[in-house]
Amino acid sequence: DAEITQSPRHKITETGRQVTLACHQTWNHNNMFWYRQDLGHGLRLIHYSYGVQDTNKGEVSDGYSVSRSNTEDLPLTLESAASSQTSVYFCASSESEYRPQYFGPGTRLTVL
Amino acid sequence: AQSVTQPDIHITVSEGASLELRCNYSYGATPYLFWYVQSPGQGLQLLLKYFSGDTLVQGIKGFEAEFKRSQSSFNLRKPSVHWSDAAEYFCAVGENNQGGKLIFGQGTELSVKP
Repeated sequence: DAEITQSPRHKITETGRQVTLACHQTWNHNNMFWYRQDLGHGLRLIHYSYGVQDTNKGEVSDGYSVSRSNTEDLPLTLESAASSQTSVYFCASSESEYRPQYFGPGTRLTVL
Repeated sequence: AQSVTQPDIHITVSEGASLELRCNYSYGATPYLFWYVQSPGQGLQLLLKYFSGDTLVQGIKGFEAEFKRSQSSFNLRKPSVHWSDAAEYFCAVGENNQGGKLIFGQGTELSVKP
């Protein structure tokens, strides 16, 4: 079955380190999204991509970057991790506009 | 600005009772809407979606939702709640020509009493 996976599922890192969270989908979806989930804020969009070599900033993009070198993967990089980036991160993909987004299981990141 | 409001942060219902979770949105054009459910430690699972047509939509697990344009609402309902429905529920809204980006509400946590 097609799916969307995230790795690692849990990560502890130190302030200032670079961290990369992986997202891989096997649906061949063009659209991919990264969100962070924090208490009281729901899900907030970090970055998104509509296809290979396309990336766009979302609502809370400062301190994050993404790259899209193939259809299946959209890794999220924290250039220099900060304690404010402690959160649960979700990746999602969708076939196109007007189609639902399907979510990965999430990565819980703690920045000490 | 576009926004989605779920007025109830936490709701407790008894098993077997009916449920209604509220969702209100503020959008300029015709929206399309979703409800997702999240169990602890899990990702979000799609419950149902509305794009156009019949304003009462059926979803999985016995849930339904009604789109009311005049009230800018998309409330989720279930006639009889089961203990396994305890989870967090998110309403999400997209708008035409926004590339599929969604705005999520803050979520409503549902507890079910035996």
